[in-house]
Amino acid sequence: GAVVSQHPSRVICKSGTSVKIECRSLDFQATTMFWYRQFPKQSLMLMATSNEGSKATYEQGVEKDKFLINHASLTLSTLTVTSAHPEDSSFYICSALTGTGSYEQYFGPGTRLTVT
Amino acid sequence: GQQVMQIPQYQHVQEGEDFTTYCNSSTTLSNIQWYKQRPGGHPVFLIQLVKSGEVKKQKRLTFQFGEAKKNSSLHITATQTTDVGTYFCAGPPISSGSARQLTFGSGTQLTVLP
Repeated sequence: GAVVSQHPSRVICKSGTSVKIECRSLDFQATTMFWYRQFPKQSLMLMATSNEGSKATYEQGVEKDKFLINHASLTLSTLTVTSAHPEDSSFYICSALTGTGSYEQYFGPGTRLTVT
Repeated sequence: GQQVMQIPQYQHVQEGEDFTTYCNSSTTLSNIQWYKQRPGGHPVFLIQLVKSGEVKKQKRLTFQFGEAKKNSSLHITATQTTDVGTYFCAGPPISSGSARQLTFGSGTQLTVLP
């Protein structure tokens, strides 16, 4: 149980375009999802907390107009990287809470974004 | 802001040797979680510790939460090649008011030589 999927797993886009990444909880409802960014051989950096039906909470230094987050249902959160630039190239990972009272986060497999 | 550091950053051990990674937070944590990330993979939850001084064991893995709830350790006895990966500690600071948002440690990358 508690499986989280992400789509796409890899994406290459041109500078200036926008990319949407989907995060889905497959066998549970996730009222809260998180979006992280991870650079090679580095730790995970929390970008934002996504709550179903409300606006996302962004961490300090993360541009909300550049990284648009939508959590329209209990099983889907999306991250849209707008006007992507090469410095946005990274590994983006989402995670979800099951809402059962446990604080264990279930992570998706990640999306490797390359901006050329 | 909160900082969570882990040492060592890298560790190479011979299969069968023991391994320990240490996690230190600049602020008091409400709980500490440990995750393992295999090369090319995503983090997988290992355990959560909540109480001051708590010790938990999972087979060859022993986890400890410090008395001041600012540090933690993970010890692996008799490492195996399947233990290869990066181990992250993570925790929410008590001051954040949220027990859900995690600050991840810098990670310790473990290599086990056969």
